[in-house]
Amino acid sequence: ILNVEQSPQSLHVQEGDSTNFTCSFPSSNFYALHWYRWETAKSPEALFVMTLNGDEKKKGRISATLNTKEGYSYLYIKGSQPEDSATYLCAFLRGTASKLTFGTGTRLQVTL
Amino acid sequence: NAGVTQTPKFRILKIGQSMTLQCTQDMNHNYMYWYRQDPGMGLKLIYYSVGAGITDKGEVPNGYNVSRSTTEDFPLRLELAAPSQTSVYFCASSGTVGSTEAFFGQGTRLTVV
Repeated sequence: ILNVEQSPQSLHVQEGDSTNFTCSFPSSNFYALHWYRWETAKSPEALFVMTLNGDEKKKGRISATLNTKEGYSYLYIKGSQPEDSATYLCAFLRGTASKLTFGTGTRLQVTL
Repeated sequence: NAGVTQTPKFRILKIGQSMTLQCTQDMNHNYMYWYRQDPGMGLKLIYYSVGAGITDKGEVPNGYNVSRSTTEDFPLRLELAAPSQTSVYFCASSGTVGSTEAFFGQGTRLTVV
């Protein structure tokens, strides 16, 4: 992996479903991994900042895990609600930790 | 609490015109970034700065220039606007970036015709 990659590109689930997305990043020279939530016509807002291998973060029904040795992070949403509909971005910092590089995002749609 | 403020919110430019997108933050953050959002491509980094007087290129710097004379301000300059620069531009800032999140402005929608 040379850049930040996210999968799937888009996801359509029903209310109450649980779901998860993947962020893959270069495993060498890791510094930090961020997750952001980006609603249509708004600005991205941070969900989690993760810096240590094995980190697990939780905010309400949303949680994230980090594996820096194999270069991936998972974002989980439990019991999806329509208000969870958004694009979820991960951003990676490497080495000197100056350049915040984003993946292309996973677009989630939750329907009733 | 202003946070990160971008102006203007919308702008239509003719090919070859120049303009400056303004970005100001009041959080005393050292790190500042300019991104552009292209459909299906997420956010692409144009330029970034780690402090006053220091700037560096991101992934897509061609056609843009920046300056950072103060901690608060990080303007983005388009010298000769081209249709390929039609996009939504976001400015962001962060304190220590590694362990703290980035805060985004509300975006500038630019159309070059």
